[in-house]
Amino acid sequence: NAGVTQTPKFRVLKTGQSMTLLCAQDMNHEYMYWYRQDPGMGLRLIHYSVGEGTTAKGEVPDGYNVSRLKKQNFLLGLESAAPSQTSVYFCASRRPENYEQYFGPGTRLTVT
Amino acid sequence: GENVEQHPSTLSVQEGDSAVIKCTYSDSASNYFPWYKQELGKRPQLIIDIRSNVGEKKDQRIAVTLNKTAKHFSLHITETQPEDSAVYFCAASKGSNYQLIWGAGTKLIIKP
Repeated sequence: NAGVTQTPKFRVLKTGQSMTLLCAQDMNHEYMYWYRQDPGMGLRLIHYSVGEGTTAKGEVPDGYNVSRLKKQNFLLGLESAAPSQTSVYFCASRRPENYEQYFGPGTRLTVT
Repeated sequence: GENVEQHPSTLSVQEGDSAVIKCTYSDSASNYFPWYKQELGKRPQLIIDIRSNVGEKKDQRIAVTLNKTAKHFSLHITETQPEDSAVYFCAASKGSNYQLIWGAGTKLIIKP
């Protein structure tokens, strides 16, 4: 099992560009999450999904969109990147009955 | 809104000594409290968790205590070793889908 994987690992964008981050899990987990991690601020939830075809906003959803067309994939989109979106992005997944979240390796995004 | 405060932000202890990290939470409905460890450049991984119907839980050198009345919980690491050096995050559950609200993290440094 690969667990939770994220693509790409690193990316540099110019302000105003768009991109999509892909999260994939092979554990058949229902719940999936997108977080951003900034120094001294812990993990902040951007969006999450409790099943295929569902999405919901987290603490910091502005400037991001998500889609969960397939159970194993959760996509995070930035339509018009801003320097404030420079961060490390983590995806996580879990089963409904088990509260442990399994994290991907992260994507380091820099917006110049 | 709900928040989780974590202290200290940095903790330096001598190898072999104990380390204690404390968190307080604001949402009295929270009932699940995990601790994650994140080594430098790696993904967060669950090390121990506790539910609100339990006051203490141990796993070898790691223990977590919970005081629901005071709304605080703590991580205790005994006989610290170099491999314990990492950033530790606490979190508290929110809502029926058990989203997590995260603390800002504690950098634990083990001095040889």
